[in-house]
Amino acid sequence: GAVVSQHPSRVICKSGTSVKIECRSLDFQATTMFWYRQFPKQSLMLMATSNEGSKATYEQGVEKDKFLINHASLTLSTLTVTSAHPEDSSFYICSARSPYRAGTEAFFGQGTRLTVV
Amino acid sequence: GENVEQHPSTLSVQEGDSAVIKCTYSDSASNYFPWYKQELGKGPQLIIDIRSNVGEKKDQRIAVTLNKTAKHFSLHITETQPEDSAVYFCAASSGNTPLVFGKGTRLSVIA
Repeated sequence: GAVVSQHPSRVICKSGTSVKIECRSLDFQATTMFWYRQFPKQSLMLMATSNEGSKATYEQGVEKDKFLINHASLTLSTLTVTSAHPEDSSFYICSARSPYRAGTEAFFGQGTRLTVV
Repeated sequence: GENVEQHPSTLSVQEGDSAVIKCTYSDSASNYFPWYKQELGKGPQLIIDIRSNVGEKKDQRIAVTLNKTAKHFSLHITETQPEDSAVYFCAASSGNTPLVFGKGTRLSVIA
């Protein structure tokens, strides 16, 4: 399958600081990327859909000023958690989908464990 | 919008037995149904998928069936092994819409 690389895998930050998470599609061009949040023992919750060259579409209840998404190229999307607080601690996962690869498969990154102290 | 229900939430089987996980969906426009395996601390990994023009698909010990009329699809794992232990998620989407996930099934294969 396709390779999606997410970095960093783990990050610990202090309250009030910002954290940037990168999501790269390594072997295909991803016109659409998705950002999810996952709490322990729960399913993936879609936060936003990121389209290359345009503004992200956020799901209801997700603060776009807090979770900044940039999809500047066909292989890179970034999620910046601004002014992080302990309640933002979670597992963040990106996925990438390309219309040029055999349909609608979404390939996931390894995830980023964010801990805000 | 789409709603995906997944059962059971936990499943324990003896090594070598089969495991079946079932999902239902609500949106008749959904036409793509992937299954993901997630190990602890890792992102989901696509293990098999099926599209609405096919009723069944098999890949070695893993198979997926789809009943469009009843709007349900199932994952079948035969000859289970301890390394099959993980959380499995079903999902559904139509066209380029985001995947909608089930709540997951924690599978434990007991040696």
